[in-house]
This record gives sequence, C-alpha cells and structure tokens, in this order.
Amino acid sequence: GQSLEQPSEVTAVEGAIVQINCTYQTSGFYGLSWYQQHDGGAPTFLSYNGLDGLEETGRFSSFLSRSDSYGYLLLQELQMKDSASYFCAPNTNAGKSTFGDGTTLTVKP
Amino acid sequence: EPEVTQTPSHQVTQMGQEVILRCVPISNHLYFYWYRQILGQKVEFLVSFYNNEISEKSEIFDDQFSVERPDGSNFTLKIRSTKLEDSAMYFCASSGTGANYGYTFGSGTRLTVV
Repeated sequence: GQSLEQPSEVTAVEGAIVQINCTYQTSGFYGLSWYQQHDGGAPTFLSYNGLDGLEETGRFSSFLSRSDSYGYLLLQELQMKDSASYFCAPNTNAGKSTFGDGTTLTVKP
Repeated sequence: EPEVTQTPSHQVTQMGQEVILRCVPISNHLYFYWYRQILGQKVEFLVSFYNNEISEKSEIFDDQFSVERPDGSNFTLKIRSTKLEDSAMYFCASSGTGANYGYTFGSGTRLTVV
C-alpha cells in the first residue's frame, strides 16, 4: 500500500529555523518533491531529492534518506510570508506525484 | 518565467452537464497532469499523461473523466456528467523530464456544480 505522513501543524517565530518531516511508503518510488501552497493559490515547487542527502536552494533545504523512507524540508530565517501549507510528494517512476495532507506552517512575529 | 495557463478561472455548471477544463502547459514540457483540491482538503492526483496517452490515473479518475491533447499546445480535462461532489479547484501541471523533477502548476479552475 501507500502511505504518507507529515505533521499537520507547525508554529515558529520570524527568523527561526523549522524542519518539516515526511515519511512515506510508495511503490515505484523515484524521488521526493516539496511544494508550498498559500491559501487559495496553486502549489509551488520548492525542492526535489532524487538521491540521498541534502539539497539546498536559498533559505530552503531538503533531505532524503531512501533507506529510511524519510525526508524533511528545512526552512531557515523564517519570514512572515513563509506562512503557508507545505506538502511532501513522492514521485513514482510511473509519472505520479501524490501529495500528503500537508503541514500548515504559521510564522509569528 | 514560463507558466502553465488554465482557463476558465471559474466555471459554474449545472449537475449532469459536461464541462471541459483547458490548460496550456509549458511548451517544452512532456508530462502533463491534472489534480483537484476540494475546499479545505489536500491536493489529489487525478491523472498523468505522456506521449499522447494516460500513464497513471487514480481511483477518482473514473469513466466520467477523460483527458485529451487535441493539438500541440492544449491539454484538456473533460467531465462528462458533473456531480455536486465534483465541485473543486482543478489544477493542471506539467513537468519537463517526467518523474525526475517538480511540477509547474497552473493557477487552477474553480469548478462549482449547482
């Protein structure tokens, strides 16, 4: 079967660092993507891990461990505009990316 | 920056009517997708399309749904006989190298079935 778990809510203050974890069980797993979605908006691609290890893109980094079926998104120097929902989405080799329930990040002043 | 364009932004239809949602993916992308998001819920995969055929579909994508790439630029989702529960935001997405990279999403079509 397939499963995907990430925390439902995370709260942090401006300037802090926050880590959003994701565990998955996905047939035909190919890589792990992360998306951001603001209320009423479309998902926006943030990062992709095809190999184990850390990928860094500005303030955002993402990590993957295939052996643990685990990944995380790290957001540094949090800003108010980072308040949004964040989704991990395993990609399969059949060309399908399934979104999790998402983590609502609230950044407070 | 290249965009995925969806039209219309909002469509209201009567239950039982057919609707066609339209998308223009990024021009050099090869893989195309439809997702939907019911208000307050997560983004749900519907279908992926590559090389003029469906490569993967979810259990949501039943016989009432179909996709088509009628020409070199458009990608459409047809719902044959809409139900109230089809009311949702429908997102089109495309990607350049299949499963390897992230998807670029359009801004969505909000479908309201009355």
